[in-house]
Amino acid sequence: EVQLVESGGGLIQPGGSLRLSCAASGFTVSSNYMSWVRQAPGKGLDLVSVLNKDGSTYYADSVKGRFTISRDNSKNIGYLQMNSLKVEDTAVYYCVGIPAASDSFDYWGQGTLVAVSS
Amino acid sequence: SYDLTQPLSVSVALGQTAKITCGGNNIVSKNVHWYQQKPGQAPVLVICRDTIRPSGIPDRFSGSNSGNTATLTISRAQVGDEAVYYCQVWGSLSWVFGGGTKLTVL
Repeated sequence: EVQLVESGGGLIQPGGSLRLSCAASGFTVSSNYMSWVRQAPGKGLDLVSVLNKDGSTYYADSVKGRFTISRDNSKNIGYLQMNSLKVEDTAVYYCVGIPAASDSFDYWGQGTLVAVSS
Repeated sequence: SYDLTQPLSVSVALGQTAKITCGGNNIVSKNVHWYQQKPGQAPVLVICRDTIRPSGIPDRFSGSNSGNTATLTISRAQVGDEAVYYCQVWGSLSWVFGGGTKLTVL
């Protein structure tokens, strides 16, 4: 059974930084795709970033230059480093696994809330 | 960029069939995936690659894709099917989600 467990969310002031973690079991982050999808209160799904199995990355324009996605293969954990946070980054952040050779978001974590406010 | 268009809301009578559409330019050429999100929960994949139901998804859920419209069909709708449904494709440059459709079962 695949489990993705996020941690690291919280309340942060504008301009601050947070690092989200995604601990994976039953899903090997190094041989699949790992992504972060966020959902602002009352809004739809917004793809933030994807880390491909070959190490290449995708970032939404809204976070490019501020967020960095990475992984620790030995621990099977994914990360999202978020810097220069803005009020509009407030959302539930989901870690989502995309199986290799697929383009569907198969495995979702429970989400972690990031609230950016002064 | 590739855009997906979904109706904001769809209503269906209890036990009847609901159809939720997802519009996109020549969407038939793409694999369409559908997600169900109930309040306070993470999304769940209910249909992948147009028509495939992942393990554990009831056969009341089905999908189709033709021309510029993909459709999620929910037969014998139940109160438990009330949720927001999102379609998603690979849009040639990145992954794209539709805006979501709220399904209400009357």
